[in-house]
Amino acid sequence: NAGVTQTPKFRVLKTGQSMTLLCAQDMNHEYMYWYRQDPGMGLRLIHYSVGEGTTAKGEVPDGYNVSRLKKQNFLLGLESAAPSQTSVYFCASSYQRIGSNTGELFFGEGSRLTVL
Amino acid sequence: AQKVTQAQTEISVVEKEDVTLDCVYETRDTTYYLFWYKQPPSGELVFLIRRNSFDEQNEISGRYSWNFQKSTSSFNFTITASQVVDSAVYFCALSEANFGNEKLTFGTGTRLTIIP
Repeated sequence: NAGVTQTPKFRVLKTGQSMTLLCAQDMNHEYMYWYRQDPGMGLRLIHYSVGEGTTAKGEVPDGYNVSRLKKQNFLLGLESAAPSQTSVYFCASSYQRIGSNTGELFFGEGSRLTVL
Repeated sequence: AQKVTQAQTEISVVEKEDVTLDCVYETRDTTYYLFWYKQPPSGELVFLIRRNSFDEQNEISGRYSWNFQKSTSSFNFTITASQVVDSAVYFCALSEANFGNEKLTFGTGTRLTIIP
């Protein structure tokens, strides 16, 4: 039972390099999210998608881009990585809206990114 | 704007003691949802409970219980007879139900350490 899978789990980048984090879910969920977790700051929403082909900005979208070409996949891209983007990134998915009576986020295991 | 405050950064208790994790929230909406997530040392985020704003009944699940009080905007979490496996970071989170808001706002977390 895979649930939400993130790849890669770990990555070290140099400033200015680009990379893509892949999130895949096998639960047929409509809603997908990318969060970042930093010490003392909890989790903050970067971007989200309410369905295939849609994306929207979250709380901290600058420096990131996303795409949802297939319902099961949600990609997070860093075009020119900066040290401030060193963080643990979590992908999550939900069948219903998080602001609904049955909304619940299922999280991946996280991807630790270090930008030197 | 929605906000969640977890004033306790770290708590340590001896095994078998009871412990309460505090959560205070702010929202202008009358309909909202409150969550607790557990993040064990392995890093994944585990859903514990969702509570909607119209249901103020306290909930008990085994050794876990939750006290929701709208009058004080609090949603506190108590672990009874704590065990070493309860050691984790616990996050309280809030989502407003208004359409178009897909943000789950997390508190900064409380790191709970159970001492054997």
